[in-house]
Amino acid sequence: GENVEQHPSTLSVQEGDSAVIKCTYSDSASNYFPWYKQELGKRPQLIIDIRSNVGEKKDQRIAVTLNKTAKHFSLHITETQPEDSAVYFCAASDQTGANNLFFGTGTRLTVIP
Amino acid sequence: GAVVSQHPSWVICKSGTSVKIECRSLDFQATTMFWYRQFPKQSLMLMATSNEGSKATYEQGVEKDKFLINHASLTLSTLTVTSAHPEDSSFYICSAFDWEVTDTQYFGPGTRLTVL
Repeated sequence: GENVEQHPSTLSVQEGDSAVIKCTYSDSASNYFPWYKQELGKRPQLIIDIRSNVGEKKDQRIAVTLNKTAKHFSLHITETQPEDSAVYFCAASDQTGANNLFFGTGTRLTVIP
Repeated sequence: GAVVSQHPSWVICKSGTSVKIECRSLDFQATTMFWYRQFPKQSLMLMATSNEGSKATYEQGVEKDKFLINHASLTLSTLTVTSAHPEDSSFYICSAFDWEVTDTQYFGPGTRLTVL
């Protein structure tokens, strides 16, 4: 099955700075890559996703880039705010659409006021 | 957006008992639902894929007889942890796949199971 690696495991940034989280995947057939934000004890919330037919997607302060050749994708958060502090998970799907998601190990982001 | 509920939100049971967790898609039909397990400060591990009207597909290493999954309708999937033991204590999260509108998975709020 799919193997997703995520780095770094922890990340601390000053408020207003940018944060970048990187993931790699193993299955070249994967074509859907969502990012989830999870606060302590709560459900993962989809914050942005990208499909293999595009290389970059942006939604306000959040952007995701995808390099299918290298099999890696990244989450970029600009102008970070304290409320961005949470655990972020990348995932990859081994089928068309959002079926069978395989998650990275997570990145705990702390935004220091 | 799409809403997925999960019940109960937490449960404490004695070793050897069985526990049923329900996952419902409230405003969309989900032919496919997924069950994940999450240990503290760890990632979500896919346990099984639940397909309406057919048998669930289990990931390698997940015991089918221990984690019984039923997906009897387009809006409900259940996970039953049979003969629970302390090592089964975990956070169980379901998700439902909205293939009709958004082609996206939506997660339930999770169920924290503690087996004494």
